[in-house]
Amino acid sequence: AQSVTQLGSHVSVSEGALVLLRCNYSSSVPPYLFWYVQYPNQGLQLLLKYTTGATLVKGINGFEAEFKKSETSFHLTKPSAHMSDAAEYFCAVSEVQGAQKLVFGQGTRLTINP
Amino acid sequence: KAGVTQTPRYLIKTRGQQVTLSCSPISGHRSVSWYQQTPGQGLQFLFEYFSETQRNKGNFPGRFSGRQFSNSRSEMNVSTLELGDSALYLCASSLAPSGGPNTGELFFGEGSRLTVL
Repeated sequence: AQSVTQLGSHVSVSEGALVLLRCNYSSSVPPYLFWYVQYPNQGLQLLLKYTTGATLVKGINGFEAEFKKSETSFHLTKPSAHMSDAAEYFCAVSEVQGAQKLVFGQGTRLTINP
Repeated sequence: KAGVTQTPRYLIKTRGQQVTLSCSPISGHRSVSWYQQTPGQGLQFLFEYFSETQRNKGNFPGRFSGRQFSNSRSEMNVSTLELGDSALYLCASSLAPSGGPNTGELFFGEGSRLTVL
């Protein structure tokens, strides 16, 4: 069965600094990988996804992630943090193309310091 | 285009009662899934419906059930509520469960927050 581990339940960075949120997955088949963001009192919103092809994936709001099969990782980065990036971020995996049965990590709460 | 609408947004029930939550997907979306979000267990998949048929089910007891109507709207029901059922229940819709450019792209509602006393 697939699983997702997000390293660090809380990450704090200064405004303008690099954002790095770590995600490692376990999957018996080539996975489909996703990052979702959840703002307070809201549902989840898709940031980006990796299915096949280019391993560096660009998403919304300046975020990107790189799929590294050898490291079973899919870390999320943003070069310069903005106050509006403060939210909870979830990494997710699906083994079935298009499936809605996603397995989510425990989430990483990102705090931006002014 | 309206997003995914969930009702009610907040509700309080007591142990032993039952609850029904409703979800209206984005217009044109035929696939609906449900997730439970709690501080301890995180986000857990409940079930997925497409064309009124359950396609997948998570590891939840039979007290949790759902259905989908011909207009793609979905409901989930929890019977004999327990304290541990207190959670945010999220509904997500997608164009279709099959592959293509929308693979895995779920559109979530804001959730129904259930408190069981």
